[in-house]
Amino acid sequence: GQQVMQIPQYQHVQEGEDFTTYCNSSTTLSNIQWYKQRPGGHPVFLIQLVKSGEVKKQKRLTFQFGEAKKNSSLHITATQTTDVGTYFCAGRSSGSARQLTFGSGTQLTVLP
Amino acid sequence: EAGVVQSPRYKIIEKKQPVAFWCNPISGHNTLYWYLQNLGQGPELLIRYENEEAVDDSQLPKDRFSAERLKGVDSTLKIQPAELGDSAVYLCASSLQTSGNIYNEQFFGPGTRLTVL
Repeated sequence: GQQVMQIPQYQHVQEGEDFTTYCNSSTTLSNIQWYKQRPGGHPVFLIQLVKSGEVKKQKRLTFQFGEAKKNSSLHITATQTTDVGTYFCAGRSSGSARQLTFGSGTQLTVLP
Repeated sequence: EAGVVQSPRYKIIEKKQPVAFWCNPISGHNTLYWYLQNLGQGPELLIRYENEEAVDDSQLPKDRFSAERLKGVDSTLKIQPAELGDSAVYLCASSLQTSGNIYNEQFFGPGTRLTVL
Protein backbone atom coordinates (compact mmCIF):
# COMPACT_ATOMS: atom_id res chain seq x y z
CA GLY A 1 0.00 0.00 0.00
CA GLN A 2 0.86 3.65 -0.17
CA GLN A 3 3.51 4.89 2.25
CA VAL A 4 4.24 8.48 3.16
CA MET A 5 7.49 9.21 4.96
CA GLN A 6 8.58 12.40 6.65
CA ILE A 7 11.97 13.58 7.81
CA PRO A 8 13.22 14.62 10.20
CA GLN A 9 11.15 13.10 12.97
CA TYR A 10 12.23 15.83 15.40
CA GLN A 11 13.74 19.28 14.93
CA HIS A 12 14.91 21.74 17.55
CA VAL A 13 15.65 25.27 16.35
CA GLN A 14 16.49 28.55 17.98
CA GLU A 15 13.83 31.19 17.55
CA GLY A 16 14.54 33.07 14.36
CA GLU A 17 16.15 30.13 12.58
CA ASP A 18 14.59 28.51 9.55
CA PHE A 19 12.98 25.06 9.52
CA THR A 20 12.23 22.56 6.76
CA THR A 21 10.39 19.24 6.79
CA TYR A 22 10.35 16.84 3.87
CA CYS A 23 7.69 14.41 2.77
CA ASN A 24 8.18 11.49 0.36
CA SER A 25 5.59 9.14 -1.06
CA SER A 26 6.10 5.64 -2.39
CA THR A 27 3.54 6.37 -5.10
CA THR A 28 2.61 9.29 -7.32
CA LEU A 29 0.17 11.60 -5.58
CA SER A 30 -2.86 13.36 -6.97
CA ASN A 31 -2.54 15.99 -4.27
CA ILE A 32 -0.94 16.57 -0.90
CA GLN A 33 -2.18 18.34 2.19
CA TRP A 34 -0.30 19.71 5.18
CA TYR A 35 -1.63 19.81 8.73
CA LYS A 36 -0.31 21.24 11.98
CA GLN A 37 -0.98 19.68 15.36
CA ARG A 38 -0.17 21.68 18.47
CA PRO A 39 0.84 19.77 21.61
CA GLY A 40 -2.29 18.24 23.08
CA GLY A 41 -4.37 19.40 20.12
CA HIS A 42 -5.77 17.95 16.94
CA PRO A 43 -4.55 18.29 13.34
CA VAL A 44 -5.51 21.55 11.66
CA PHE A 45 -5.45 21.95 7.91
CA LEU A 46 -2.83 24.32 6.53
CA ILE A 47 -2.83 23.96 2.76
CA GLN A 48 -3.33 21.69 -0.22
CA LEU A 49 -1.09 21.35 -3.28
CA VAL A 50 -2.37 19.82 -6.50
CA LYS A 51 -0.17 20.78 -9.43
CA SER A 52 3.27 19.42 -10.28
CA GLY A 53 5.95 21.86 -9.13
CA GLU A 54 3.41 24.00 -7.29
CA VAL A 55 4.67 26.48 -4.70
CA LYS A 56 2.37 28.21 -2.23
CA LYS A 57 3.17 30.68 0.51
CA GLN A 58 1.39 31.56 3.72
CA LYS A 59 3.26 34.40 5.43
CA ARG A 60 6.47 32.73 6.68
CA LEU A 61 5.47 29.25 5.45
CA THR A 62 6.41 28.02 1.96
CA PHE A 63 5.00 24.77 0.61
CA GLN A 64 6.33 22.95 -2.45
CA PHE A 65 5.05 19.98 -4.44
CA GLY A 66 7.67 18.08 -6.42
CA GLU A 67 7.72 17.89 -10.19
CA ALA A 68 7.11 14.15 -10.07
CA LYS A 69 4.31 14.63 -7.49
CA LYS A 70 5.99 12.16 -5.13
CA ASN A 71 7.51 14.59 -2.65
CA SER A 72 6.75 17.82 -0.88
CA SER A 73 8.34 20.19 1.58
CA LEU A 74 7.33 22.79 4.13
CA HIS A 75 9.76 25.59 4.93
CA ILE A 76 9.29 28.06 7.76
CA THR A 77 11.35 31.24 7.67
CA ALA A 78 12.43 32.85 10.94
CA THR A 79 10.60 30.50 13.29
CA GLN A 80 8.62 31.83 16.22
CA THR A 81 7.54 30.08 19.41
CA THR A 82 4.01 29.95 18.00
CA ASP A 83 5.29 27.58 15.30
CA VAL A 84 5.79 24.81 17.87
CA GLY A 85 3.92 21.64 17.00
CA THR A 86 3.96 18.61 14.76
CA TYR A 87 3.65 19.10 11.03
CA PHE A 88 2.07 16.30 9.02
CA CYS A 89 1.90 15.83 5.31
CA ALA A 90 -0.94 13.73 3.95
CA GLY A 91 -1.04 12.45 0.43
CA ARG A 92 -3.73 11.09 -1.84
CA SER A 93 -2.49 8.47 -4.27
CA SER A 94 -3.39 8.80 -7.91
CA GLY A 95 -5.04 5.42 -7.87
CA SER A 96 -7.32 6.08 -4.91
CA ALA A 97 -7.93 9.78 -4.87
CA ARG A 98 -10.23 9.78 -1.89
CA GLN A 99 -7.88 7.99 0.52
CA LEU A 100 -5.55 10.27 2.47
CA THR A 101 -2.38 8.74 3.98
CA PHE A 102 -0.63 10.70 6.71
CA GLY A 103 3.09 10.81 7.26
CA SER A 104 4.51 10.26 10.73
CA GLY A 105 5.08 13.98 11.20
CA THR A 106 7.94 16.27 12.15
CA GLN A 107 7.85 17.58 15.68
CA LEU A 108 9.19 21.14 15.82
CA THR A 109 10.51 22.68 19.01
CA VAL A 110 11.42 26.36 18.96
CA LEU A 111 13.76 27.51 21.70
CA PRO A 112 13.31 31.14 22.80
CA GLU B 1 -20.19 27.51 13.63
CA ALA B 2 -19.42 24.53 15.86
CA GLY B 3 -16.56 22.29 14.85
CA VAL B 4 -16.42 18.52 15.01
CA VAL B 5 -17.61 17.37 18.42
CA GLN B 6 -16.36 14.21 20.08
CA SER B 7 -17.14 12.58 23.39
CA PRO B 8 -15.88 11.54 25.75
CA ARG B 9 -12.57 13.38 25.70
CA TYR B 10 -10.92 10.82 27.92
CA LYS B 11 -11.73 7.23 28.74
CA ILE B 12 -9.97 4.76 31.01
CA ILE B 13 -11.11 1.15 30.97
CA GLU B 14 -9.79 -2.26 31.88
CA LYS B 15 -8.89 -4.69 29.15
CA LYS B 16 -11.70 -6.89 27.83
CA GLN B 17 -14.24 -4.14 28.58
CA PRO B 18 -16.29 -2.51 25.81
CA VAL B 19 -15.97 1.18 24.94
CA ALA B 20 -17.77 3.53 22.58
CA PHE B 21 -16.86 6.89 21.11
CA TRP B 22 -19.26 9.40 19.62
CA CYS B 23 -18.69 12.00 16.91
CA ASN B 24 -20.88 14.77 15.54
CA PRO B 25 -19.41 16.24 12.36
CA ILE B 26 -19.67 19.79 11.09
CA SER B 27 -23.20 20.47 9.88
CA GLY B 28 -23.58 19.67 6.21
CA HIS B 29 -20.42 17.60 5.92
CA ASN B 30 -21.28 14.38 4.16
CA THR B 31 -17.99 12.56 4.71
CA LEU B 32 -16.89 11.35 8.13
CA TYR B 33 -13.63 9.68 9.10
CA TRP B 34 -12.42 7.80 12.15
CA TYR B 35 -8.69 7.79 12.72
CA LEU B 36 -6.43 6.20 15.30
CA GLN B 37 -3.38 8.17 16.39
CA ASN B 38 -0.60 6.63 18.44
CA LEU B 39 1.90 8.81 20.26
CA GLY B 40 4.45 10.22 17.86
CA GLN B 41 2.62 8.97 14.79
CA GLY B 42 0.32 10.39 12.19
CA PRO B 43 -3.39 9.60 12.11
CA GLU B 44 -4.24 6.21 10.59
CA LEU B 45 -7.58 5.82 8.88
CA LEU B 46 -9.94 3.26 10.40
CA ILE B 47 -13.08 3.93 8.42
CA ARG B 48 -14.56 6.51 6.08
CA TYR B 49 -18.25 7.19 5.54
CA GLU B 50 -19.88 8.98 2.67
CA ASN B 51 -23.27 9.84 4.08
CA GLU B 52 -24.39 6.64 5.79
CA GLU B 53 -22.30 4.29 3.66
CA ALA B 54 -18.95 2.94 4.84
CA VAL B 55 -16.87 3.30 1.67
CA ASP B 56 -13.46 2.41 3.11
CA ASP B 57 -13.15 0.18 6.16
CA SER B 58 -10.17 -1.86 5.02
CA GLN B 59 -8.08 -0.81 8.04
CA LEU B 60 -10.78 -1.45 10.64
CA PRO B 61 -10.05 -4.54 12.80
CA LYS B 62 -13.49 -6.00 12.33
CA ASP B 63 -13.10 -8.72 14.93
CA ARG B 64 -13.35 -6.14 17.72
CA PHE B 65 -14.10 -2.78 16.13
CA SER B 66 -17.42 -1.66 14.72
CA ALA B 67 -18.80 1.67 13.58
CA GLU B 68 -22.09 3.07 12.45
CA ARG B 69 -23.47 6.24 10.98
CA LEU B 70 -27.14 5.37 10.76
CA LYS B 71 -28.64 8.64 9.56
CA GLY B 72 -25.57 9.97 7.78
CA VAL B 73 -24.88 12.53 10.49
CA ASP B 74 -23.31 11.53 13.79
CA SER B 75 -21.32 8.35 14.21
CA THR B 76 -20.28 5.87 16.87
CA LEU B 77 -17.11 3.80 17.00
CA LYS B 78 -17.10 0.79 19.31
CA ILE B 79 -14.42 -1.56 20.56
CA GLN B 80 -15.43 -4.84 22.16
CA PRO B 81 -13.44 -6.21 23.85
CA ALA B 82 -10.68 -3.65 24.30
CA GLU B 83 -7.05 -4.76 24.40
CA LEU B 84 -4.01 -3.09 25.91
CA GLY B 85 -2.76 -2.18 22.44
CA ASP B 86 -5.90 -0.16 21.72
CA SER B 87 -4.67 2.67 23.95
CA ALA B 88 -4.44 5.66 21.62
CA VAL B 89 -6.25 8.83 20.59
CA TYR B 90 -9.27 8.24 18.40
CA LEU B 91 -9.88 11.17 16.09
CA CYS B 92 -13.00 11.93 14.13
CA ALA B 93 -12.87 14.20 11.10
CA SER B 94 -15.38 15.45 8.57
CA SER B 95 -15.28 17.05 5.17
CA LEU B 96 -17.61 18.14 2.42
CA GLN B 97 -17.13 16.01 -0.65
CA THR B 98 -18.75 17.21 -3.85
CA SER B 99 -18.94 15.51 -7.20
CA GLY B 100 -16.84 18.21 -8.80
CA ASN B 101 -14.14 18.46 -6.14
CA ILE B 102 -13.06 15.50 -4.10
CA TYR B 103 -9.95 17.18 -2.72
CA ASN B 104 -11.39 18.80 0.35
CA GLU B 105 -9.73 19.59 3.65
CA GLN B 106 -10.63 17.55 6.68
CA PHE B 107 -11.73 19.15 9.93
CA PHE B 108 -10.69 17.19 12.98
CA GLY B 109 -12.38 16.91 16.34
CA PRO B 110 -10.45 17.09 19.64
CA GLY B 111 -10.21 13.32 19.87
CA THR B 112 -10.88 10.77 22.58
CA ARG B 113 -7.85 9.59 24.50
CA LEU B 114 -8.36 5.94 25.41
CA THR B 115 -6.31 4.22 28.06
CA VAL B 116 -6.72 0.47 28.45
CA LEU B 117 -5.35 -0.94 31.72
